[in-house]
Amino acid sequence: GNSVTQMEGPVTLSEEAFLTINCTYTATGYPSLFWYVQYPGEGLQLLLKATKADDKGSNKGFEATYRKETTSFHLEKGSVQVSDSAVYFCALREAAGNKLTFGGGTRVLVKP
Amino acid sequence: KAGVTQTPRYLIKTRGQQVTLSCSPISGHRSVSWYQQTPGQGLQFLFEYFSETQRNKGNFPGRFSGRQFSNSRSEMNVSTLELGDSALYLCASSLYIADTEAFFGQGTRLTVV
Repeated sequence: GNSVTQMEGPVTLSEEAFLTINCTYTATGYPSLFWYVQYPGEGLQLLLKATKADDKGSNKGFEATYRKETTSFHLEKGSVQVSDSAVYFCALREAAGNKLTFGGGTRVLVKP
Repeated sequence: KAGVTQTPRYLIKTRGQQVTLSCSPISGHRSVSWYQQTPGQGLQFLFEYFSETQRNKGNFPGRFSGRQFSNSRSEMNVSTLELGDSALYLCASSLYIADTEAFFGQGTRLTVV
């Protein structure tokens, strides 16, 4: 079956540091890939997405590129802020249906 | 445009009881999916509904059930509650059945005592 593996946290950074969260996946066919963010006490918010190989998703300074050859979708941000402190989830969706398969989540803490 | 609304936000139930959670999707969205989030198991897919029909189901026991109404609102029911059912239950709404973004509600926090 499908699966998503992402690096375990917590990841602790200083403000303006570079952030990378690794995500790899196993899937049949050609899934769409997503990064979601969850702030304390909240649901999930879509951060960015990519629907085919070599697509780059970007939003709010975050970027991730769909790499089919390495089955990866790593999240990066060049300069993090305290407000980026949250839990980040990598997810995939099969071509048919809306079922999302999530990674375990990575907690990021940005200190001033 | 209103987002996904889940009610109630918090719920405390006793073992053996049953519970019903509600989800109102974004206006015009016809697909609703449910997920369970726990510290140990993470986010796990429960089921998906589209046009009042269950399209997909996750690996949960039969105590977990759901339905969707003609106005796309959805409910999920858990019978004979167990302590392990304590979790954040998230509902996601999508426009169609595939190839569209999922928008999540804030969730219902269920505590079973």
